[in-house]
Amino acid sequence: DAKTTQPPSMDCAEGRAANLPCNHSTISGNEYVYWYRQIHSQGPQYIIHGLKNNETNEMASLIITEDRKSSTLILPHATLRDTAVYYCIVRRHSNSNSGYALNFGKGTSLLVTP
Amino acid sequence: SAVISQKPSRDICQRGTSLTIQCQVDSQVTMMFWYRQQPGQSLTLIATANQGSEATYESGFVIDKFPISRPNLTFSTLTVSNMSPEDSSIYLCSVLPGANTGELFFGEGSRLTVL
Repeated sequence: DAKTTQPPSMDCAEGRAANLPCNHSTISGNEYVYWYRQIHSQGPQYIIHGLKNNETNEMASLIITEDRKSSTLILPHATLRDTAVYYCIVRRHSNSNSGYALNFGKGTSLLVTP
Repeated sequence: SAVISQKPSRDICQRGTSLTIQCQVDSQVTMMFWYRQQPGQSLTLIATANQGSEATYESGFVIDKFPISRPNLTFSTLTVSNMSPEDSSIYLCSVLPGANTGELFFGEGSRLTVL
């Protein structure tokens, strides 16, 4: 799976949009971009994923550049409860035993402030 | 979706002992995985738990140290054997409910402290 690069930390004011960047310049055509977050003392939580097109759900929006070498996770109105470590993960969907496992990098620690 | 229960949620153990962590899912799932998260670190995949056969271990993890069982499609155990303080970590169970979704669900983790 391709590697990802994320800033180690970011701050965001409550109520503002949080834009979390991710670089995945070596992504291949069959690899998806996944975003998870881990709130302190909890297991990781799925947020969103996409292949080529931008995606939106009730939690966030995912913007993938046309060349797919980078993406941005957008939390439109950040709240204090969005303070967490956000992981950008690239992987293909595979039917091998470990092909569906996620390889976590260090992620971005997002702090939402009042 | 899948609801995952891990037991114990936390434990304090003595050096040289072993501890078995259980992972129970509320529905049958395609795949189950075990991760380790050392203090202040990201998650590292230990192994894929295979139903009815030996687990598939990642580089750096061996069956003698981390034996895994998966007797059916809803349950798995991870044993941390002959523990040392370096094994103090959070151990997380993760499941893939269906092969078509790609979304993994995680348990809350089992926080293990070895003295």
